[in-house]
Amino acid sequence: QSVLTQPPSASGTPGQRVTISCSGSSSNIGNNYVYWYQQLPGTAPKFVIYRDNQRPSGVPDRFSGSKSGTSASLAISGLRSEDEADYYCAAWDDSRSVLFGGGTKLTVL
Amino acid sequence: QEQLVESGGGVVQPGRSLRLSCAASGFTFSHYAMHWVRQAPGKGLEWVAAISYDGGDKYYADSVKGRVTISRDNSNNRLYLQMNSLRPEDTAVYYCATGVSAMAPPFGYWGQGTLVTVSS
Repeated sequence: QSVLTQPPSASGTPGQRVTISCSGSSSNIGNNYVYWYQQLPGTAPKFVIYRDNQRPSGVPDRFSGSKSGTSASLAISGLRSEDEADYYCAAWDDSRSVLFGGGTKLTVL
Repeated sequence: QEQLVESGGGVVQPGRSLRLSCAASGFTFSHYAMHWVRQAPGKGLEWVAAISYDGGDKYYADSVKGRVTISRDNSNNRLYLQMNSLRPEDTAVYYCATGVSAMAPPFGYWGQGTLVTVSS
């Protein structure tokens, strides 16, 4: 099973806007919803975007998701120090499995 | 308050078996699909298995198919993962998580995880 492709790292300064990409194929991102998770050091993951661009209650509107074709993106605007974490994308694959991206470590400089 | 608590992890020799358990409370367990997701030390998330709300549908990652069985007991609000023929590469923190569907990534509640170490 292939993994969705994410850049291993991203960074930005406080207040900046950063984008994390997630690339897949027609059998996963191209045909199914994308979900995004935030994992702070030493804690369990928490979802921040579901169904491509929906934000659960409690997640700041600084977080947004988008999708085009077989790629998706998570954008974080007004970057804050507490946003420093690992971010993962995930999607159902038509081979009947869930695929996760390899994860992106976001550093707030 | 919604809570998922995993248990059953520990150190086990290669080739042996282990059963993980996930106790749910504070929400209607039987309304949710459930997932197991693992994370090897210093690595990313890997989906392991999922089960529909009624236990009728089950899905597995290729890496564990044939060695792992997911099950649930809705009367006792518990999720299980029976792992057989364990390998060193199964060493990971195992999380249980809720989902709207077994055919979609988990979202909602996550447990804090239980560590499984496969080593001789």
